[in-house]
Amino acid sequence: QVQLQESGPGLVRPSQTLSLTCAVSGASVTSDLYSWNWVRLPAGKRLEWVGHVSSTGGTNYSPSLKSRVAISADTSKNQFSLRLNSVTAADTAVYYCARTGTHYDGYNYYSYMDVWGKGTTVTISS
Amino acid sequence: DIQMTQSPSSLSASVGDRVTISCRASQNILTYLNWYQQKPGEAPKVLIFGASRLQSGVPSRFSGGGSGTDFTLTISSLQSEDFATYYCQESFTTPRTFGQGTSLEIK
Repeated sequence: QVQLQESGPGLVRPSQTLSLTCAVSGASVTSDLYSWNWVRLPAGKRLEWVGHVSSTGGTNYSPSLKSRVAISADTSKNQFSLRLNSVTAADTAVYYCARTGTHYDGYNYYSYMDVWGKGTTVTISS
Repeated sequence: DIQMTQSPSSLSASVGDRVTISCRASQNILTYLNWYQQKPGEAPKVLIFGASRLQSGVPSRFSGGGSGTDFTLTISSLQSEDFATYYCQESFTTPRTFGQGTSLEIK
């Protein structure tokens, strides 16, 4: 059974760096079947995809966050991490890590987030 | 970025009702559309991928349809455990954009 578990500080000061880690069990972050995402949910708003890291370490980020975000994988610990710098109150949210799986139907590859962590609340406040 | 718009934003219904939620993409995304269910305090759960493909373990009362820019999620007979927020999400390109969510409430 695949499980993801987020960890990190629940309170970060404005202008500082938010750092979260997602520990993966039951699957390998180096498997080329998957990529590994961060998604956040600000209170009263919609889910927002932050970015992902692939099995080879390649990354892709939301354009709105690209200048401040970095996602990386630590293969020795089978985990991946999020760093978001220069945070403001607008970055207050529940942060989820999630795995992207792929289904091939013989014609097309469909990707979707099939396993999620429980989420961790991060508040940006002085 | 592709914009995803859901309707309605909220919906009141009763157990046993048939409900349909709509999702519109700002450009053609073929059938690269996923649906998620989220309950308060829980992580999202995928219900439908590829517009109409039911994720393993999801009850058959859930179904998805559509292609191009217009999609639907239908629950054929609402159960008490279905009251939640539902999100569509495109997987055609990055960023992976979500709709604003539809809150399904008990009437």
